[in-house]
Amino acid sequence: GEDVEQSLFLSVREGDSSVINCTYTDSSSTYLYWYKQEPGAGLQLLTYIFSNMDMKQDQRLTVLLNKKDKHLSLRIADTQTGDSAIYFCALPRATNKLIFGTGTLLAVQP
Amino acid sequence: DAGVTQSPTHLIKTRGQHVTLRCSPISGHKSVSWYQQVLGQGPQFIFQYYEKEERGRGNFPDRFSARQFPNYSSELNVNALLLGDSALYLCASSSGTSSYNEQFFGPGTRLTVL
Repeated sequence: GEDVEQSLFLSVREGDSSVINCTYTDSSSTYLYWYKQEPGAGLQLLTYIFSNMDMKQDQRLTVLLNKKDKHLSLRIADTQTGDSAIYFCALPRATNKLIFGTGTLLAVQP
Repeated sequence: DAGVTQSPTHLIKTRGQHVTLRCSPISGHKSVSWYQQVLGQGPQFIFQYYEKEERGRGNFPDRFSARQFPNYSSELNVNALLLGDSALYLCASSSGTSSYNEQFFGPGTRLTVL
């Protein structure tokens, strides 16, 4: 099967930048997604990037894609306590079936 | 507009029993997908239905089955429950089956098997 790996845990102080990383083995996806999961809530699509782009900025979020190294990252600027959640990268396959990463728990310290 | 709804919110079953989980997609969405999320892991794809037909199936045993109704709501059935079936079951709806069709997730059903 294919692998989509993320580091398990990241702790930052409020106001700092957070960088969440994702590596994958199968690079056939047209889009690559980042989802956010808060306790008791479903998955929320945060942002996405087309596979032919290197970078996408969306307010406090910056997505970087290195296709050669099969590496995707999500940078959150000025991280707030409300950003505390689990973050998943996800790659769509045939019929839009999503392959999710292992998830990164982001803890923001006040 | 209501988002994706799932019922029940929580469920406790014992080994060997069966369970039915329900999902109502966003109005106008014809595609429903089911995912299993075991604690500490990312969601794993179980099924996708589009226009009442199965369009995809993940690597799950035959104890897992699903169906989609004419109103596009869906049920996920799991027979002969095992302890390892304890998980959060997520339903997602989208307007189509292309990778540019955003999937909207419900809050999930937390299943505990004792």
